[in-house]
Amino acid sequence: GQNIDQPTEMTATEGAIVQINCTYQTSGFNGLFWYQQHAGEAPTFLSYNVLDGLEEKGRFSSFLSRSKGYSYLLLKELQMKDSASYLCAVVDSNYQLIWGAGTKLIIKP
Amino acid sequence: DAMVIQNPRYQVTQFGKPVTLSCSQTLNHNVMYWYQQKSSQAPKLLFHYYDKDFNNEADTPDNFQSRRPNTSFCFLDIRSPGLGDAAMYLCATSTTVSTDTQYFGPGTRLTVL
Repeated sequence: GQNIDQPTEMTATEGAIVQINCTYQTSGFNGLFWYQQHAGEAPTFLSYNVLDGLEEKGRFSSFLSRSKGYSYLLLKELQMKDSASYLCAVVDSNYQLIWGAGTKLIIKP
Repeated sequence: DAMVIQNPRYQVTQFGKPVTLSCSQTLNHNVMYWYQQKSSQAPKLLFHYYDKDFNNEADTPDNFQSRRPNTSFCFLDIRSPGLGDAAMYLCATSTTVSTDTQYFGPGTRLTVL
């Protein structure tokens, strides 16, 4: 079966750095997305990785290791508005998007 | 400016009473998706359209139907809502079904009484 694993919930402090991990087992791989979803709202695109390595975009960076079936989202200089769920999603060999259940990130002052 | 619009944002219906949710897009994307998302769960793909080609997920109940009369609009019809159908329904679009980013509407939260 296809599976995406993320921690259910994480807590971090305003101004700090947090790393949200995602591991996947899918039939093939054609890329990995990270989406941010605030409570009661729709997911919004953060990043897309298809090659190994780190992609940096402002305060957010995303890392991929295809050989390990592993990705992480790194958030720096945390702000209160970063409190949200972060969803990892993998494109499989059939170009189906397989979603994780998301990691709820709680930011404390 | 909103690119993917969903109406209504909140919908209340009664058990067994048909309901229609609507989605429109200004992106001129070929693909439109409908997802169901329950609290703290991953979005679950119900079906998608590539242009006029309808693609139903194998585990989507027959109770859920969809229509796409033109490029801009797509509808989700729930013929006989049950209590288990209460959820957030998300519409999304993309240019193709491969690795393109999906753009989501704000969602419709459905309550079934």
